[in-house]
Amino acid sequence: GESVGLHLPTLSVQEGDNSIINCAYSNSASDYFIWYKQESGKGPQFIIDIRSNMDKRQGQRVTVLLNKTVKHLSLQIAATQPGDSAVYFCAEIGSNDYKLSFGAGTTVTVRA
Amino acid sequence: GAVVSQHPSWVICKSGTSVKIECRSLDFQATTMFWYRQFPKQSLMLMATSNEGSKATYEQGVEKDKFLINHASLTLSTLTVTSAHPEDSSFYICSASMGLAGSQQGETQYFGPGTRLLVL
Repeated sequence: GESVGLHLPTLSVQEGDNSIINCAYSNSASDYFIWYKQESGKGPQFIIDIRSNMDKRQGQRVTVLLNKTVKHLSLQIAATQPGDSAVYFCAEIGSNDYKLSFGAGTTVTVRA
Repeated sequence: GAVVSQHPSWVICKSGTSVKIECRSLDFQATTMFWYRQFPKQSLMLMATSNEGSKATYEQGVEKDKFLINHASLTLSTLTVTSAHPEDSSFYICSASMGLAGSQQGETQYFGPGTRLLVL
């Protein structure tokens, strides 16, 4: 249940497996990146963030990796649980801007 | 902490009527508030940014006379969809930030639960 390298609109994961969600960004001036989780009918919920001077940051069960060379961001979820089923968005803010720009989103479905 | 609420959570209205959506920061002062629109299975698109006491800044393609935004206090912003039409049916989400847009504190946005609008 992993996807590496390409952004996929959907990801099906077996409960207990690790998930990798990918995001490509286009603005090389972006210096702040955030992953959000959005459950059906709700607003986005902050998961984890990372600044451009870092390449990795870890939270509880989640890790964000940033590769500025190829402008790629990924979110890793360890031991995926049914409650992780949601749409995941990456978002970025440029150094010369203040607006959050959201990616297309990946729908994660966890199989029991 | 940093809770944002929206009211109503959903609304159905007739074409041609106006609908007001409220966004409130419950436990902090929101210097900046943002309004987004999200169509089914799509991402969030920023509509406008507002600072308390000043006029909102609208994104390109968003009609300011159709989507009226008022940020009258540090805890309340309203979005009024005037003369709503079926194509305005969408999920409207607000967010609030403690800092000014462009500041590091302003980078953190706290999102509301969204308001689903259906125009018949």
